Amino acid sequence: AQSVTQPDIHITVSEGASLELRCNYSYGATPYLFWYVQSPGQGLQLLLKYFSGDTLVQGIKGFEAEFKRSQSSFNLRKPSVHWSDAAEYFCAVVGTGGFKTIFGAGTRLFVKA
Amino acid sequence: ETGVTQTPRHLVMGMTNKKSLKCEQHLGHNAMYWYKQSAKKPLELMFVYNFKEQTENNSVPSRFSPECPNSSHLFLHLHTLQPEDSALYLCASSQEGTSGSYEQYFGPGTRLTVT
Repeated sequence: AQSVTQPDIHITVSEGASLELRCNYSYGATPYLFWYVQSPGQGLQLLLKYFSGDTLVQGIKGFEAEFKRSQSSFNLRKPSVHWSDAAEYFCAVVGTGGFKTIFGAGTRLFVKA
Repeated sequence: ETGVTQTPRHLVMGMTNKKSLKCEQHLGHNAMYWYKQSAKKPLELMFVYNFKEQTENNSVPSRFSPECPNSSHLFLHLHTLQPEDSALYLCASSQEGTSGSYEQYFGPGTRLTVT
Protein backbone atom coordinates (compact mmCIF):
# COMPACT_ATOMS: atom_id res chain seq x y z
CA ALA A 1 0.00 0.00 0.00
CA GLN A 2 1.10 3.53 -0.67
CA SER A 3 2.26 5.60 2.26
CA VAL A 4 4.05 8.85 3.03
CA THR A 5 6.30 9.44 6.03
CA GLN A 6 7.41 12.80 7.31
CA PRO A 7 9.78 11.93 10.13
CA ASP A 8 9.90 15.39 11.69
CA ILE A 9 6.79 16.53 13.54
CA HIS A 10 8.20 20.02 13.94
CA ILE A 11 11.33 21.92 13.02
CA THR A 12 12.65 25.28 14.19
CA VAL A 13 15.03 27.32 12.05
CA SER A 14 16.38 30.82 12.31
CA GLU A 15 15.27 33.40 9.80
CA GLY A 16 17.73 33.46 6.92
CA ALA A 17 18.92 29.92 7.54
CA SER A 18 18.45 27.09 5.08
CA LEU A 19 15.68 24.55 5.41
CA GLU A 20 15.20 20.92 4.49
CA LEU A 21 12.00 19.01 5.27
CA ARG A 22 12.14 15.28 4.80
CA CYS A 23 9.64 13.07 3.05
CA ASN A 24 9.79 9.36 2.28
CA TYR A 25 7.19 7.50 0.30
CA SER A 26 6.24 3.95 -0.42
CA TYR A 27 4.88 3.31 -3.90
CA GLY A 28 5.32 0.53 -6.42
CA ALA A 29 5.61 2.59 -9.58
CA THR A 30 6.86 6.04 -10.48
CA PRO A 31 4.93 8.28 -8.13
CA TYR A 32 3.31 11.62 -8.55
CA LEU A 33 4.64 13.62 -5.60
CA PHE A 34 3.54 16.89 -4.08
CA TRP A 35 4.35 19.35 -1.35
CA TYR A 36 1.58 21.47 0.14
CA VAL A 37 1.71 24.25 2.72
CA GLN A 38 -0.97 25.20 5.23
CA SER A 39 -1.02 28.47 7.12
CA PRO A 40 -2.99 28.56 10.38
CA GLY A 41 -6.74 28.42 9.85
CA GLN A 42 -6.39 27.98 6.09
CA GLY A 43 -6.64 25.23 3.54
CA LEU A 44 -3.63 23.60 1.91
CA GLN A 45 -1.86 25.25 -1.01
CA LEU A 46 0.30 23.48 -3.56
CA LEU A 47 4.00 24.41 -3.39
CA LEU A 48 5.34 22.12 -6.10
CA LYS A 49 4.91 18.76 -7.75
CA TYR A 50 6.91 16.06 -9.48
CA PHE A 51 5.55 13.82 -12.21
CA SER A 52 8.56 12.94 -14.35
CA GLY A 53 11.65 14.42 -15.94
CA ASP A 54 14.12 16.62 -14.07
CA THR A 55 14.34 15.33 -10.53
CA LEU A 56 14.86 18.81 -9.10
CA VAL A 57 11.64 20.76 -9.24
CA GLN A 58 11.07 24.38 -8.48
CA GLY A 59 7.98 25.69 -6.76
CA ILE A 60 6.45 28.85 -5.50
CA LYS A 61 7.87 31.04 -2.73
CA GLY A 62 11.45 29.97 -3.49
CA PHE A 63 10.98 26.31 -2.56
CA GLU A 64 12.45 23.37 -4.41
CA ALA A 65 12.35 19.62 -3.95
CA GLU A 66 14.47 16.77 -5.20
CA PHE A 67 13.13 13.34 -6.14
CA LYS A 68 15.52 10.52 -5.31
CA ARG A 69 14.18 7.19 -6.46
CA SER A 70 16.97 5.19 -4.82
CA GLN A 71 16.08 6.66 -1.44
CA SER A 72 12.30 6.88 -2.01
CA SER A 73 12.57 10.47 -0.91
CA PHE A 74 11.21 13.83 -1.98
CA ASN A 75 12.75 16.38 0.37
CA LEU A 76 11.73 20.02 0.33
CA ARG A 77 14.37 22.73 0.55
CA LYS A 78 14.68 26.47 0.75
CA PRO A 79 18.04 28.27 0.87
CA SER A 80 16.90 31.15 3.11
CA VAL A 81 13.82 30.98 5.30
CA HIS A 82 11.60 33.98 5.91
CA TRP A 83 9.38 34.48 8.96
CA SER A 84 6.35 34.17 6.69
CA ASP A 85 7.33 30.57 5.89
CA ALA A 86 6.17 29.48 9.34
CA ALA A 87 3.39 27.00 8.58
CA GLU A 88 2.68 23.31 8.33
CA TYR A 89 4.05 21.42 5.34
CA PHE A 90 2.58 18.25 3.91
CA CYS A 91 4.16 15.80 1.52
CA ALA A 92 1.74 13.77 -0.59
CA VAL A 93 1.62 11.05 -3.24
CA VAL A 94 -1.17 10.23 -5.65
CA GLY A 95 -2.36 6.69 -5.16
CA THR A 96 -2.92 4.04 -7.79
CA GLY A 97 -5.51 5.08 -10.36
CA GLY A 98 -5.72 8.59 -9.05
CA PHE A 99 -8.70 9.97 -7.14
CA LYS A 100 -6.89 9.52 -3.87
CA THR A 101 -4.00 11.62 -2.62
CA ILE A 102 -2.18 10.20 0.37
CA PHE A 103 -0.82 12.83 2.74
CA GLY A 104 1.94 12.61 5.26
CA ALA A 105 1.29 13.66 8.84
CA GLY A 106 2.86 17.06 8.25
CA THR A 107 5.85 18.97 9.59
CA ARG A 108 5.25 22.20 11.44
CA LEU A 109 7.91 24.82 10.75
CA PHE A 110 8.73 27.46 13.33
CA VAL A 111 10.93 30.39 12.34
CA LYS A 112 12.80 32.28 15.01
CA ALA A 113 14.12 35.81 14.61
CA GLU B 1 -15.56 33.65 -7.00
CA THR B 2 -12.51 31.65 -7.93
CA GLY B 3 -11.00 28.44 -6.67
CA VAL B 4 -12.77 26.48 -3.96
CA THR B 5 -15.12 28.16 -1.52
CA GLN B 6 -16.58 26.80 1.68
CA THR B 7 -19.41 28.06 3.87
CA PRO B 8 -19.76 28.63 6.69
CA ARG B 9 -16.21 29.34 7.86
CA HIS B 10 -17.14 28.71 11.47
CA LEU B 11 -19.93 26.62 12.94
CA VAL B 12 -20.91 25.86 16.51
CA MET B 13 -23.59 23.25 16.95
CA GLY B 14 -25.11 21.19 19.69
CA MET B 15 -25.09 17.45 19.63
CA THR B 16 -28.76 17.28 18.64
CA ASN B 17 -28.59 19.83 15.82
CA LYS B 18 -28.62 19.25 12.10
CA LYS B 19 -26.44 21.42 9.91
CA SER B 20 -24.80 21.32 6.50
CA LEU B 21 -21.43 22.37 5.17
CA LYS B 22 -21.23 23.62 1.61
CA CYS B 23 -18.38 23.51 -0.85
CA GLU B 24 -18.24 24.92 -4.35
CA GLN B 25 -15.45 24.66 -6.89
CA HIS B 26 -15.14 27.05 -9.83
CA LEU B 27 -12.32 25.16 -11.54
CA GLY B 28 -14.17 22.68 -13.72
CA HIS B 29 -12.64 19.74 -11.89
CA ASN B 30 -14.06 16.22 -12.01
CA ALA B 31 -13.32 15.12 -8.45
CA MET B 32 -14.21 16.55 -5.05
CA TYR B 33 -13.22 15.51 -1.54
CA TRP B 34 -14.05 16.00 2.12
CA TYR B 35 -11.23 15.84 4.65
CA LYS B 36 -11.25 16.08 8.42
CA GLN B 37 -8.32 17.74 10.14
CA SER B 38 -8.10 17.39 13.91
CA ALA B 39 -5.41 18.78 16.15
CA LYS B 40 -2.33 16.57 16.34
CA LYS B 41 -3.77 14.06 13.83
CA PRO B 42 -3.01 13.46 10.16
CA LEU B 43 -5.37 14.71 7.51
CA GLU B 44 -8.21 12.19 7.23
CA LEU B 45 -9.87 11.58 3.89
CA MET B 46 -13.61 11.14 4.45
CA PHE B 47 -15.30 10.99 1.04
CA VAL B 48 -14.34 11.11 -2.62
CA TYR B 49 -16.66 12.01 -5.46
CA ASN B 50 -15.76 11.33 -9.06
CA PHE B 51 -18.09 12.94 -11.61
CA LYS B 52 -20.77 13.20 -8.87
CA GLU B 53 -20.49 9.52 -7.95
CA GLN B 54 -19.17 8.61 -4.55
CA THR B 55 -16.13 6.40 -5.02
CA GLU B 56 -14.79 6.27 -1.51
CA ASN B 57 -16.13 6.34 2.01
CA ASN B 58 -13.39 5.82 4.51
CA SER B 59 -15.46 4.18 7.25
CA VAL B 60 -17.03 7.49 8.16
CA PRO B 61 -19.83 7.33 10.76
CA SER B 62 -23.33 7.67 9.37
CA ARG B 63 -23.84 10.93 11.25
CA PHE B 64 -21.87 12.44 8.36
CA SER B 65 -23.79 12.31 5.09
CA PRO B 66 -22.29 13.69 1.87
CA GLU B 67 -24.20 14.93 -1.12
CA CYS B 68 -22.88 15.87 -4.55
CA PRO B 69 -25.73 17.23 -6.71
CA ASN B 70 -23.38 18.22 -9.56
CA SER B 71 -19.68 18.32 -10.29
CA SER B 72 -19.30 21.81 -8.82
CA HIS B 73 -21.06 21.44 -5.48
CA LEU B 74 -20.45 19.23 -2.50
CA PHE B 75 -22.30 19.17 0.80
CA LEU B 76 -21.65 17.49 4.11
CA HIS B 77 -24.80 17.01 6.15
CA LEU B 78 -24.25 16.71 9.88
CA HIS B 79 -26.59 15.30 12.53
CA THR B 80 -26.27 14.10 16.11
CA LEU B 81 -22.55 14.81 16.17
CA GLN B 82 -20.22 14.06 19.03
CA PRO B 83 -17.71 16.43 20.68
CA GLU B 84 -14.85 14.45 19.09
CA ASP B 85 -16.19 15.53 15.69
CA SER B 86 -14.97 19.06 16.39
CA ALA B 87 -12.34 19.75 13.74
CA LEU B 88 -11.49 21.69 10.62
CA TYR B 89 -13.39 20.25 7.65
CA LEU B 90 -11.66 20.82 4.36
CA CYS B 91 -13.09 20.48 0.90
CA ALA B 92 -10.86 19.98 -2.12
CA SER B 93 -11.17 19.39 -5.82
CA SER B 94 -8.87 18.06 -8.51
CA GLN B 95 -8.77 17.02 -12.12
CA GLU B 96 -8.12 13.30 -12.35
CA GLY B 97 -7.66 10.91 -15.23
CA THR B 98 -5.55 11.04 -18.36
CA SER B 99 -5.99 14.78 -18.74
CA GLY B 100 -5.60 15.48 -15.07
CA SER B 101 -2.97 17.23 -13.04
CA TYR B 102 -3.95 15.44 -9.80
CA GLU B 103 -3.06 18.44 -7.69
CA GLN B 104 -5.66 19.23 -5.11
CA TYR B 105 -7.15 22.67 -4.63
CA PHE B 106 -8.41 23.27 -1.12
CA GLY B 107 -11.01 25.55 0.30
CA PRO B 108 -10.28 27.51 3.48
CA GLY B 109 -12.20 25.02 5.61
CA THR B 110 -15.05 25.12 8.09
CA ARG B 111 -14.05 25.18 11.74
CA LEU B 112 -16.68 23.04 13.46
CA THR B 113 -17.20 22.99 17.21
CA VAL B 114 -19.65 20.52 18.70
CA THR B 115 -20.89 21.42 22.16
